[in-house]
Amino acid sequence: KQEVTQIPAALSVPEGENLVLNCSFTDSAIYNLQWFRQDPGKGLTSLLLIQSSQREQTSGRLNASLDKSSGRSTLYIAASQPGDSATYLCAVIGTAGNKLTFGGGTRVLVKP
Amino acid sequence: DAGITQSPRHKVTETGTPVTLRCHQTENHRYMYWYRQDPGHGLRLIHYSYGVKDTDKGEVSDGYSVSRSKTEDFLLTLESATSSQTSVYFCAAQGLDGYTFGSGTRLTVV
Repeated sequence: KQEVTQIPAALSVPEGENLVLNCSFTDSAIYNLQWFRQDPGKGLTSLLLIQSSQREQTSGRLNASLDKSSGRSTLYIAASQPGDSATYLCAVIGTAGNKLTFGGGTRVLVKP
Repeated sequence: DAGITQSPRHKVTETGTPVTLRCHQTENHRYMYWYRQDPGHGLRLIHYSYGVKDTDKGEVSDGYSVSRSKTEDFLLTLESATSSQTSVYFCAAQGLDGYTFGSGTRLTVV
């Protein structure tokens, strides 16, 4: 059974600092990996999708890397802003099916 | 992205009553999902659908049923609501760009 872990559970940084969010998964046979953002009381917003054949994906200040062999993905957010404060979730889809398995999330606070 | 609309956004219901939550998508995606989100448990899959009238159970399916009579609509029914089903429910659809989620339904069972 796939297990997805995100450490730390919470993170506080001053504005302008780069954010590094970690995601690990136990089964390297994944189809793809997706990062989401969730604001309090809101739904999930997709940030980046990394296909299993890709090593990284970039969108603006966001960059996500994927190392299947070690079961890890990292989300980098450059020059953090207070508006980046949210919970960040990673989720993987295994090759055996189409179901997402989520990590527990990292709650980020960017202090002005 | 698949436009995902969930209704209602909020609902309070009494223990023992049936409740139906609706999910509507506009992009003709084949796969649709229902998740619940709870503090300490994260997001857990309840049921999913891989086509009209084709559904299967997720990890927390007890007490829930689903139906999909049209590609665009995926209904989640709590047959007899219990307090343990108080939660936020999210619907999702899978497309080429990954998963898209609705805004959620906050359900309170009193």
